[in-house]
Parts: sequence; structure tokens; C-alpha cells
Amino acid sequence: SQTIHQWPATLVQPVGSPLSLECTVEGTSNPNLYWYRQAAGRGLQLLFYSVGIGQISSEVPQNLSASRPQDRQFILSSKKLLLSDSGFYLCAWSSGTGAYEQYFGPGTRLTVT
Amino acid sequence: AQKITQTQPGMFVQEKEAVTLDCTYDTSDQSYGLFWYKQPSSGEMIFLIYQGSYDEQNATEGRYSLNFQKARKSANLVISASQLGDSAMYFCAMREERGSQGNLIFGKGTKLSVKP
Repeated sequence: SQTIHQWPATLVQPVGSPLSLECTVEGTSNPNLYWYRQAAGRGLQLLFYSVGIGQISSEVPQNLSASRPQDRQFILSSKKLLLSDSGFYLCAWSSGTGAYEQYFGPGTRLTVT
Repeated sequence: AQKITQTQPGMFVQEKEAVTLDCTYDTSDQSYGLFWYKQPSSGEMIFLIYQGSYDEQNATEGRYSLNFQKARKSANLVISASQLGDSAMYFCAMREERGSQGNLIFGKGTKLSVKP
């Protein structure tokens, strides 16, 4: 069966510090991968998606970036965090075929102070 | 314009009763998919149910059913026999076929509280 992991689960970082969040998927190959952000009490905003290694599409221009160095690894990064980067970050995968439902990881709660 | 509209910020339901969570959508695509997710306080998003635009039957998954009215562009979630564990945020989402890579567009969610 497929599983998706995210770490860390929680993170408190000062403004201006770098960020690296990691997401890995097991039990499937060539998944579509997604990064979402959820601000407190809000819906999900798609940040990045990837259909293959090295292929990243950005939905929202900002100081975040994403990379996919391996088939089942997706990384969200920032060189300098802003206060507005605080939120709940969710990684998701889909098979890219059939019903396209996305399966989410447990999320990372980021607080920028 | 919003693509997914969930008009109920919060809902209350008595345990063991049924509840309907509203969702309307906006798309010009002929082929699209509609999804419902549950987000408990732990934060993870749990996939509940899927309805394809060409599906003639309403989707059902256990106590969850999707009341799909294509002409009205609505995809309401019905939860039967509510349980205390159903208390959570519920998100409606849509995948458009045109120009997408399976990206989902989410509504703002409805917070469901089940009363004992």
C-alpha cells in the first residue's frame, strides 16, 4: 500500500531563516506530487506541483521554491522566511490516472516568529 | 469568481442524524471531478468520496454519499447516522480536465460539529 511521509511535523523558525520541508511517497512510482499551504481557518492553496523528476510548476509566485530530486521525493524550500509563510503545509500525491484523487501527508505546522 | 463555494462555515448535527454539507462549483469544462475531504483537528486531509462529471449514479462510500446535481452544479455531501468522530472540517474540491495536471481547487470548508 502507498504511504506518504512529511517531516518535520512542527517547526518554529525566525524571520529570515531558511526552510526545508521534505515529503516522500512509498509504494508507488511516478506519482504526481503537490505542495499546499493552509492558513489558519482557511482552505488549501496549491503552491507547487510536479509530474516528474525535475519538473516543477508554480501556482503562486512567492519566496518559496520546490524541487523533486527523486521520483518519490518532493522538497519545499525558502532562502528567507517571512512572517506570512506561517501555516500548515501539506504534501499530496496522486497516481495521475483514473479518478485523480489526491492523498495527503500528515502535514507540517510552520510558525515563523 | 470562486470555483468552489461552500456556503456553510459551520454546521451542527445531532449524533445519529443525517447532515448535508453544501458545495457548488463553477466550470466550463465538460469533464471534471468532484471530491470531498475531511480534516480532523489533527490536520491530515482524508479523502472521502469522488464523483466524476460523467457518472450517472451518485457516488456512495459507506455512510457518505454525494448528491450530484449537474445542472445546478452542486455536489453536496450527505453523511448518514452522524458519529461524534465525524466532527471535523469538510472540504469540497474540484479537478478540471482542461490545462491541469490533476490539480485540485478547494473550497473554504465547513466545520461540522456533532452533538451527543
